[in-house]
Amino acid sequence: AQKITQTQPGMFVQEKEAVTLDCTYDTSDQSYGLFWYKQPSSGEMIFLIYQGSYDEQNATEGRYSLNFQKARKSANLVISASQLGDSAMYFCAMREPHRDDKIIFGKGTRLHILP
Amino acid sequence: DSGVTQTPKHLITATGQRVTLRCSPRSGDLSVYWYQQSLDQGLQFLIQYYNGEERAKGNILERFSAQQFPDLHSELNLSSLELGDSALYFCASSPGLAAIGEQFFGPGTRLTVL
Repeated sequence: AQKITQTQPGMFVQEKEAVTLDCTYDTSDQSYGLFWYKQPSSGEMIFLIYQGSYDEQNATEGRYSLNFQKARKSANLVISASQLGDSAMYFCAMREPHRDDKIIFGKGTRLHILP
Repeated sequence: DSGVTQTPKHLITATGQRVTLRCSPRSGDLSVYWYQQSLDQGLQFLIQYYNGEERAKGNILERFSAQQFPDLHSELNLSSLELGDSALYFCASSPGLAAIGEQFFGPGTRLTVL
């Protein structure tokens, strides 16, 4: 079974609109971390935001926020006021530190911001 | 800039050959991770080293091996290369073990096997 599921292979969004990228995860651990990474066409992996399983508040970093719904095992990324530079591949990922230290990635969502 | 460096940036080689990818973690980070990103498999964890010792293994082929040196830099060795080994190889680092925080990714080495 997939640990991280991103159901949107691609999305087109008008510039300045908000966008939500979906992510659901599967774990039986109580302690875990959820991440979002951005990969532009240049290839590098850029860390965006992190949410710990015990964090009570949703994580926010500038225009990025993580809508964490623990009971639903959902960790959607919300980008407010999208910009052309947001066009990239976005990966949701999870770390289960009591199993090992690796990060498990979803298959990604390719986001296109339209002018 | 994450502070993680990888060399070379691009590598083009032929089937059957052997290559070595190099990674220098962020200053002070003891854990190094290797990931492979290919079109068909996505991003997959290969192997982790912590302070010179192998800590975890993922989907790493027997033709691949890695090590972490006393100065904490790491090398990923790929041998008997096949066309399917063409991929982007990332190194990441983090301060220690079982840390909840992020891993810091290097810029990647793009390997093309012809």
